Amino acid sequence: GQQVMQIPQYQHVQEGEDFTTYCNSSTTLSNIQWYKQRPGGHPVFLIQLVKSGEVKKQKRLTFQFGEAKKNSSLHITATQTTDVGTYFCAGSKGGKLIFGQGTELSVKP
Amino acid sequence: GAVVSQHPSWVICKSGTSVKIECRSLDFQATTMFWYRQFPKQSLMLMATSNEGSKATYEQGVEKDKFLINHASLTLSTLTVTSAHPEDSSFYICSAPFVRLAGGPTYEQYFGPGTRLTVT
Repeated sequence: GQQVMQIPQYQHVQEGEDFTTYCNSSTTLSNIQWYKQRPGGHPVFLIQLVKSGEVKKQKRLTFQFGEAKKNSSLHITATQTTDVGTYFCAGSKGGKLIFGQGTELSVKP
Repeated sequence: GAVVSQHPSWVICKSGTSVKIECRSLDFQATTMFWYRQFPKQSLMLMATSNEGSKATYEQGVEKDKFLINHASLTLSTLTVTSAHPEDSSFYICSAPFVRLAGGPTYEQYFGPGTRLTVT
């Protein structure tokens, strides 16, 4: 079945350092979505990427969708303690979301 | 904005009993809702797709007789864990898709706050 792989599983950074998480699908995706889940909370929608090669920015967050629509990345510039949480990519196919394993980000002040 | 609620937020039950979890879309209608299960430090695993007015679609490996899903209205889906066992203890989350049209259609999933089930 369809799989969405995400790396790394954990990332510990010093506040101010950059952070990147990568997502790769075994099949071509209709679109890819990114979610953030704070400890003890539920996933919150961040963004959706639809077009091949698309790049979107939200303040310090940059999201990219690969040309083949099979991979994606999320890059955070100059992390802050408020960025702490687990970031999930989710591939959309057939109306369903298949989540990656998530990358847990911890930020040391 | 779109809000999804879940009830209860946590429940403790004895082995062998059944537990019902409700998922409601508060300010929008959802003909489809999704049920996920999340174990600690793990990702969300899609269990089933709940369809208003028709049978739910279960993912491979999910027992439909154990996890009963009913989508009674355009704003309510329920998940009943029947004859619960300790291995069913988990965080159950529902979501509902919401289409945001401004700036080009965006198909977002709005998640409920989750229900933490502990089976003793």
